[in-house]
Amino acid sequence: DAMVIQNPRYQVTQFGKPVTLSCSQTLNHNVMYWYQQKSSQAPKLLFHYYDKDFNNEADTPDNFQSRRPNTSFCFLDIRSPGLGDAAMYLCATSRDGLAGGGYNEQFFGPGTRLTVL
Amino acid sequence: AQSVSQHNHHVILSEAASLELGCNYSYGGTVNLFWYVQYPGQHLQLLLKYFSGDPLVKGIKGFEAEFIKSKFSFNLRKPSVQWSDTAEYFCAVKLTAGNNRKLIWGLGTSLAVNP
Repeated sequence: DAMVIQNPRYQVTQFGKPVTLSCSQTLNHNVMYWYQQKSSQAPKLLFHYYDKDFNNEADTPDNFQSRRPNTSFCFLDIRSPGLGDAAMYLCATSRDGLAGGGYNEQFFGPGTRLTVL
Repeated sequence: AQSVSQHNHHVILSEAASLELGCNYSYGGTVNLFWYVQYPGQHLQLLLKYFSGDPLVKGIKGFEAEFIKSKFSFNLRKPSVQWSDTAEYFCAVKLTAGNNRKLIWGLGTSLAVNP
């Protein structure tokens, strides 16, 4: 089945120690998103890639970076995790047309739960 | 700024009760509308979506939603809930104008169904 895969499912890191979360997709979607979700809250968009074009949200801290080496993979790098960065990180994908319209239903991965000690 | 409001943050029902979760958005243009569900410990899944056409849309697991353009609403309904419907429900809206690809999310409604 086509899907969005996130690894690892659980990640424990130390305060200030860089961490990388990965996402892969077999849907061949051109848009990939990274969200942060804290307990009982809505997902908060950090950034997204439209093909190779990176789109950062204005309120995403510089501590969060992303890479998309190819269509299938996308990485979230947290350069110096703080206690406040402990959360579930969700990867999602969609197929979007050039004008941003179309049926961009987003497909979500299972998430990576990040714990910062 | 555009926003999505979900009226009930927590809902508790008994099995077989009817469900209606409210969702309103603030935007005067054309929108795509979504309801997502997040079961305990699971990932977000699409329940149903509206893009155009019949404003009454049917989704998975017996859920339906009605788009009322004049009220900027997209309420989710189910005639008879089950214990397995216990989950977090999110309404989301996509503005179709321009290059926008983002979803605007409501804060979510936590539904607990007692057996």
